[in-house]
Amino acid sequence: KQEVTQIPAALSVPEGENLVLNCSFTDSAIYNLQWFRQDPGKGLTSLLLIQSSQREQTSGRLNASLDKSSGRSTLYIAASQPGDSATYLCAVRPLSGGSNYKLTFGKGTLLTVNP
Amino acid sequence: DAGVIQSPRHEVTEMGQEVTLRCKPISGHNSLFWYRQTMMRGLELLIYFNNNVPIDDSGMPEDRFSAKMPNASFSTLKIQPSEPRDSAVYFCASSLEEWGEQYFGPGTRLTVT
Repeated sequence: KQEVTQIPAALSVPEGENLVLNCSFTDSAIYNLQWFRQDPGKGLTSLLLIQSSQREQTSGRLNASLDKSSGRSTLYIAASQPGDSATYLCAVRPLSGGSNYKLTFGKGTLLTVNP
Repeated sequence: DAGVIQSPRHEVTEMGQEVTLRCKPISGHNSLFWYRQTMMRGLELLIYFNNNVPIDDSGMPEDRFSAKMPNASFSTLKIQPSEPRDSAVYFCASSLEEWGEQYFGPGTRLTVT
């Protein structure tokens, strides 16, 4: 059974700092990995999706990397801003087995960026 | 498009009452998912519909939970009778196809007292 772990559970940084959020998964047979952002009282917004054949994806100040063999992904946020404060979740999609609709989520990292 | 729409946004009810949560997926999406989010367990898939047909309900916790999708634009998740341990945020998500990117609604925060 796939398990996804995110460390740390919470992170507080001053504005302007570069930071890294970590995600690890136990089964490397994944189709893709996705990073989401969740604001309080809101749903999940997709940030970046990395296919299993890719090593990284970039969008603006965000860069996500994937090392499938070691079961790890990182989300790098450059020059953090207070508006980046949110919970960040990663989710993996299995490669096959008839259940590739089934995302397995980590519990998230709560990020606070202080002005 | 308005995105995935869920109602109500907040629900407070007493133990033993019936609760019905509603979801309208994005038009044209053929896959619909109900999730539950708690601090202890994180986000868990409850049930998955494809073309209005339930495909995987293995995540439904017990017989008190039921879900329907009578047409492509509407789904319900019902809890009867509700219990305090059902308190959670319930999300609906939809995708264009089974393996496609999932778009989440804003969620329904359920509190059972």
